[in-house]
Amino acid sequence: KQEVTQIPAALSVPEGENLVLNCSFTDSAIYNLQWFRQDPGKGLTSLLLIQSSQREQTSGRLNASLDKSSGRSTLYIAASQPGDSATYLCAVLETSGSRLTFGEGTQLTVNP
Amino acid sequence: NAGVTQTPKFRVLKTGQSMTLLCAQDMNHEYMYWYRQDPGMGLRLIHYSVGEGTTAKGEVPDGYNVSRLKKQNFLLGLESAAPSQTSVYFCASTGDRGILQETQYFGPGTRLLVL
Repeated sequence: KQEVTQIPAALSVPEGENLVLNCSFTDSAIYNLQWFRQDPGKGLTSLLLIQSSQREQTSGRLNASLDKSSGRSTLYIAASQPGDSATYLCAVLETSGSRLTFGEGTQLTVNP
Repeated sequence: NAGVTQTPKFRVLKTGQSMTLLCAQDMNHEYMYWYRQDPGMGLRLIHYSVGEGTTAKGEVPDGYNVSRLKKQNFLLGLESAAPSQTSVYFCASTGDRGILQETQYFGPGTRLLVL
């Protein structure tokens, strides 16, 4: 059974700092990996989707990398801002293609 | 576009009562999903649909039923609510290429408390 782990569970940083969020998964046979953002009391918003054949994806200050063989992904946030404060979740799509397996998320707080 | 909407936003039920959660999307998406989110468990897939008139079981389907009579709507039913069904429920949808190629769009969630 696929398991997705995110470390750390919570992170607090000062504004302007560059930071890395980690995601690991147990079964490397995946179709893709996605990073989502969840604000308190809200739904999830997709940030980046990386296909299994890709190494990284970038969107603005966000860069996500994927190392499928080692079962790891990182989300790099450059020049963090208070508005980046949220919970970040990663999810992997299993080879059956039918469902995503989510990690529990990293709760990020960026202090002004 | 409103995207994915969910009704109601919050509901309190007594054990044994029934209710239906409504999900609607205006993006003409084929694929729709129901998840529940619980502390320490993450998001887990309850049921999903790959098109109008189809439904399939996810990871935790017991105690729930679904229907997709119209392409834009996906209903989640609880026939006899139990305290273990206290959770936040999220609906999501994906376009024609499915989740192999496209991301999922999530609704704002329904908070359900079963007493």
